[in-house]
Amino acid sequence: KAGVTQTPRYLIKTRGQQVTLSCSPISGHRSVSWYQQTPGQGLQFLFEYFSETQRNKGNFPGRFSGRQFSNSRSEMNVSTLELGDSALYLCASSPDRLMNTEAFFGQGTRLTVV
Amino acid sequence: GQQVMQIPQYQHVQEGEDFTTYCNSSTTLSNIQWYKQRPGGHPVFLIQLVKSGEVKKQKRLTFQFGEAKKNSSLHITATQTTDVGTYFCAHSDPHGSSNTGKLIFGQGTTLQVKP
Repeated sequence: KAGVTQTPRYLIKTRGQQVTLSCSPISGHRSVSWYQQTPGQGLQFLFEYFSETQRNKGNFPGRFSGRQFSNSRSEMNVSTLELGDSALYLCASSPDRLMNTEAFFGQGTRLTVV
Repeated sequence: GQQVMQIPQYQHVQEGEDFTTYCNSSTTLSNIQWYKQRPGGHPVFLIQLVKSGEVKKQKRLTFQFGEAKKNSSLHITATQTTDVGTYFCAHSDPHGSSNTGKLIFGQGTTLQVKP
């Protein structure tokens, strides 16, 4: 079974731009969560999608948004990028997070904002 | 959300020495999961504990969940260089109205092993 695939792996953007990151979960997994990882803040939950619906959202500004498609693939978008948005963005999939199942993480997208 | 404090932040050991990382919560947790992230890698699930006082072993790794379900530990016996990485505890609260399906991570303990 293929793992969680995130694209692109690396991205460099300028302040003020917007960016879209993509995540393809493991086949059959319906829950997709996004996390931001930085040296200072650690792993912070962004949002979770299940069956195309946002089921939960973390404490991030409205510049961070996401969506999930009918095939469970998910995208997250960050608008008006700030230097502080530089981070590793991780996507995790599971059959259903509500069932307390393990989360399978992708390799992440390393975003650098200059 | 329910924060978990993880200590220590860093640990340097000589190969062959033991290592332990601890997670503590001020409130009762429904479960605790442990993940390992190698340098440059992504978190990989190690184990989940759900029962009070539960102890699970995976070769040289021993995981414990406290009797009050407020703390957990990961102990590695006789560390090897392959154990290098950051170990995270995490928990989810599927019964909380605002925490559905969300994983809350500890800050992680980074382990360095000197050969």
